[in-house]
Amino acid sequence: DGGITQSPKYLFRKEGQNVTLSCEQNLNHDAMYWYRQDPGQGLRLIYYSQIVNDFQKGDIAEGYSVSREKKESFPLTVTSAQKNPTAFYLCASSEAGGRWTEAFFGQGTRLTVV
Amino acid sequence: RKEVEQDPGPFNVPEGATVAFNCTYSNSASQSFFWYRQDCRKEPKLLMSVYSSGNEDGRFTAQLNRASQYISLLIRDSKLSDSATYLCVVFNDYKLSFGAGTTVTVRA
Repeated sequence: DGGITQSPKYLFRKEGQNVTLSCEQNLNHDAMYWYRQDPGQGLRLIYYSQIVNDFQKGDIAEGYSVSREKKESFPLTVTSAQKNPTAFYLCASSEAGGRWTEAFFGQGTRLTVV
Repeated sequence: RKEVEQDPGPFNVPEGATVAFNCTYSNSASQSFFWYRQDCRKEPKLLMSVYSSGNEDGRFTAQLNRASQYISLLIRDSKLSDSATYLCVVFNDYKLSFGAGTTVTVRA
């Protein structure tokens, strides 16, 4: 079955640690996105990528980093510079440009700082 | 100003009622528009795209007003299963921007 897979589902991080969230898709989509959702709030864009080896900062990129070495993979690293990382992280993909096409989401990763 | 703004609700309606809500967007050059549905603690899923002429999908009707820069969603004959958060989504500059969502609760 085609889809988008995020792992892990739950992640606990100690303060000062970097952690990496995985996002893999087998939909052959060019575009991939990372969003953060806080309780009772909407999705805020962290980073997005329209093509392999290229990505752009979204609205809240500070304290995060990404890579896009393969079309199917778009991992997100939450660095120690992110002061309030506890949130629900969602990865999405869509066909090139995503203008009139559906964005498919993974099931999300809940990150908690302990 | 936020790129996409929605009335957060909540809208609490009885089964069978009609409920409608709007979303406004700030970028007049926005290219395309969508409504997504998000259930509690789940990922968003596409409900419907919104076309310039307006469109229906069963009990759901979406409208776009480019002059006033708003999008609307109307749900007729509400079902218990319609209880969810509805996210307004706008595409421009190669990225999707989401509103904070409108919560709808349908009661028996």
